[in-house]
Amino acid sequence: AQTVTQSQPEMSVQEAETVTLSCTYDTSESDYYLFWYKQPPSRQMILVIRQEAYKQQNATENRFSVNFQKAAKSFSLKISDSQLGDAAMYFCAYRSIGGTSGSRLTFGEGTQLTVNP
Amino acid sequence: EAQVTQNPRYLITVTGKKLTVTCSQNMNHEYMSWYRQDPGLGLRQIYYSMNVEVTDKGDVPEGYKVSRKEKRNFPLILESPSPNQTSLYFCASSRREPRGVYNEQFFGPGTRLTVL
Repeated sequence: AQTVTQSQPEMSVQEAETVTLSCTYDTSESDYYLFWYKQPPSRQMILVIRQEAYKQQNATENRFSVNFQKAAKSFSLKISDSQLGDAAMYFCAYRSIGGTSGSRLTFGEGTQLTVNP
Repeated sequence: EAQVTQNPRYLITVTGKKLTVTCSQNMNHEYMSWYRQDPGLGLRQIYYSMNVEVTDKGDVPEGYKVSRKEKRNFPLILESPSPNQTSLYFCASSRREPRGVYNEQFFGPGTRLTVL
């Protein structure tokens, strides 16, 4: 079974600066998806960024980018030019490709990000 | 607007009183799932459904039931709720892509359940 670990329960960053959230995972599969979800105080789950394991290029979405290290099974999220609205709980998630297990999202424990003005 | 809806959003109940949390999606997605979120544990899957009349257990199915009689609806049933089922519940749906891949999951707004 796959596992996802976020070793930083809490992180803080100054507004306009850069922060990196860590995520590691364990799997024996070679093809899969990785996601970062944001959960603001409203509790809505919002997809931030997605990475397909067969793509070597790191995904980027505006101020959000990932550092995907497949061999190390590491998937960190970098937030540049942090804004107050980035304050939220961030979850890393893993999803297999296809099959009956391919439907499940396995989540990490979450990292609570605080943005200081 | 494409969305996943859940009702109720908040519910306080007592031990043993059967309840149902409804989930509906308007995107014609084949796949639907229920998760519970607890502090320090992230989200854990309770049950999922690959299509109508096809359901299966996730990681924490004990104490829950589901049904999928229609493609758009996937209710979560707690036959005899207990205090350890106090949690935040999310329903999610996903489209089945070609070659059987399931991509992004769309989440409902969550249901906060308290069992006294």
